[in-house]
Amino acid sequence: QLQLQESGPGLVKPSETLSLTCTVSGGSISSSSYYWGWIRQPPGTGLEWIGSIYYTGSTFYNPSLKSRVTISKDTSKNQFSLQLSSVTAADTAVYYCARRTDRIMHVWGKGTSVTVAS
Amino acid sequence: DIVMTQSPDSLAVSLGERATINCKSSQSVLGSSNNKNSLAWYQLKPGQPPKLLIYWASTRESGVPDRFSGSGSGTDFTLTISSLQAEDVAVYYCHQYYNTPDTFGQGTKLEI
Repeated sequence: QLQLQESGPGLVKPSETLSLTCTVSGGSISSSSYYWGWIRQPPGTGLEWIGSIYYTGSTFYNPSLKSRVTISKDTSKNQFSLQLSSVTAADTAVYYCARRTDRIMHVWGKGTSVTVAS
Repeated sequence: DIVMTQSPDSLAVSLGERATINCKSSQSVLGSSNNKNSLAWYQLKPGQPPKLLIYWASTRESGVPDRFSGSGSGTDFTLTISSLQAEDVAVYYCHQYYNTPDTFGQGTKLEI
């Protein structure tokens, strides 16, 4: 059964870079036709799509975050990662990774909480 | 970006009664090539990841109870819970995946 698990620091200082990793088990991130994505939920608000990476390595980002976001993958570790630069308090959120099929997010990780504070 | 607007923001329904949540998109999410509406519904409970309930506007995800159903086309969509159970208390979000960036509704809090 496919499982996704987010990991990374729970506290990041303002202006620094947030780095998270999603470890995939029960399936390969190199499998064709799948996108692997990141979504976040700031406290008290709704969901925001951050971006996705295709199995080919092509990336797609939310224009509102594009200048600060990098999504990459490491097929040898069966992981994909999120880097968000120049963070502020507005980037405090629960961050989820998910697998997309036909653009539908069927499988999600449990999420990891990240706080931006000094 | 496509703006998704849900109504109501919160809803209280008695156990066993019907709950209806609406979602309106600022432009049509009906694909001309596949004739499918790129609209999904998720259930969020505290401390849990979002759970996919419905996709393509009306296709129920595997394992989701049949009391959950989705309907609508174009710009207007509805999630219906036919007979509310205690475990259905959650926040529900609609999601359009027709255009990049994906966008979500603001959420509807369902209570008993």
